[in-house]
Amino acid sequence: KAGVTQTPRYLIKTRGQQVTLSCSPISGHRSVSWYQQTPGQGLQFLFEYFSETQRNKGNFPGRFSGRQFSNSRSEMNVSTLELGDSALYLCASSLMRSNNSPLHFGNGTRLTVT
Amino acid sequence: AQKITQTQPGMFVQEKEAVTLDCTYDTSDPSYGLFWYKQPSSGEMIFLIYQGSYDQQNATEGRYSLNFQKARKSANLVISASQLGDSAMYFCAMREVRSPEGYSEGGSEKLVFGKGTKLTVNP
Repeated sequence: KAGVTQTPRYLIKTRGQQVTLSCSPISGHRSVSWYQQTPGQGLQFLFEYFSETQRNKGNFPGRFSGRQFSNSRSEMNVSTLELGDSALYLCASSLMRSNNSPLHFGNGTRLTVT
Repeated sequence: AQKITQTQPGMFVQEKEAVTLDCTYDTSDPSYGLFWYKQPSSGEMIFLIYQGSYDQQNATEGRYSLNFQKARKSANLVISASQLGDSAMYFCAMREVRSPEGYSEGGSEKLVFGKGTKLTVNP
């Protein structure tokens, strides 16, 4: 069974540009969430999607947005990139939104903003 | 607000020995889940073990066990018989779910992570 797939693995963008990251969850998983990982702030929750609806959102500016498609695939978009957006962006999926259903993460997309 | 504290930035262990990675948490919700993840230098977060707040027994998964002390709000990860491939960052995380039954549309997939512990296994 294929794991969570994130594309691309690496991205280099310049300030002011926008970027779209993609995530394909494990087959059958309907819940997708996104996390940002930086050396300074650690792992921070961005948002969560279930059945194409955003269920929860972290404390990030409106430049960060996302969506989920009917096949559970998800994309996140960052507009007007800033240097501080350089990070590893991790996507996770789970079978159901239950307490004991672990989140399975992808390899991440490493974004560098210059 | 929920919080996870990992007080050991780095740990060293000899191959084949056991090691304990500390994790304490703070939450006001009666129902929550605790997770441990391993992150090698490649970046992928690998799920290791889960402990539910209502579970009576400590969770075990192969060489991994979770020493859950609810009253002390601690959930330490024990790795037995360390291997060189265990060298990685280890993160403790917590998820809160409001339904005592463990499932709720009002629940959340939000995990709160600790800062992590870098484990180095020496040959």
